[in-house]
Amino acid sequence: DAGVIQSPRHEVTEMGQEVTLRCKPISGHDYLFWYRQTMMRGLELLIYFNNNVPIDDSGMPEDRFSAKMPNASFSNLKIQPSEPRDSAVYFCASRSDLAGADNEQFFGPGTRLTVL
Amino acid sequence: ILNVEQSPQSLHVQEGDSTNFTCSFPSSNFYALHWYRWETAKSPEALFVMTLNGDEKKKGRISATLNTKEGYSYLYIKGSQPEDSATYLCASHTGTASKLTFGTGTRLQVTL
Repeated sequence: DAGVIQSPRHEVTEMGQEVTLRCKPISGHDYLFWYRQTMMRGLELLIYFNNNVPIDDSGMPEDRFSAKMPNASFSNLKIQPSEPRDSAVYFCASRSDLAGADNEQFFGPGTRLTVL
Repeated sequence: ILNVEQSPQSLHVQEGDSTNFTCSFPSSNFYALHWYRWETAKSPEALFVMTLNGDEKKKGRISATLNTKEGYSYLYIKGSQPEDSATYLCASHTGTASKLTFGTGTRLQVTL
């Protein structure tokens, strides 16, 4: 398996533009997580899905952020309109739930977003 | 303890030194404790997933112990090498929630 795939790897955009980040989880994984890494807050969970259904979006900063998982092999995170303070590295991760608590969670390579 | 806390925040050791760091986590409703290694400009890579009190896991020169009753885990690195330089994250998985709560990490720098 190629692991968790994220695109683009780098995104530079101007304030006010819509940004779409994409994630392909590891095939067969039941859970998909979106994280944001910043210097100030470290690694924070934005939202996660189980079997394509959003379970907890309490970490989504505000209405400008939305995430969907239309099928088991794809999720996107949208920011509209983007602001400079959204600049961060966004990680997607996935995990299987076959054996319960001791499954590893695998991270994608991240998307480095810069909003000018 | 309500959150996951790691100490120290950063550590600077010389090649060959052995070192350890601490992760404290909520002991109630414990489910699992994850350790990750995170190199700069890369993604976090899983080291260990620990579930049983008293568990000890080892991978090469790195090992970890777990105390679920008092809510702490130690990560040990024996004979540190420059390639061990990274941020080491721990994450707690509690109750029936499927999400991990991450600590802020211990940044280790190993110099020659």
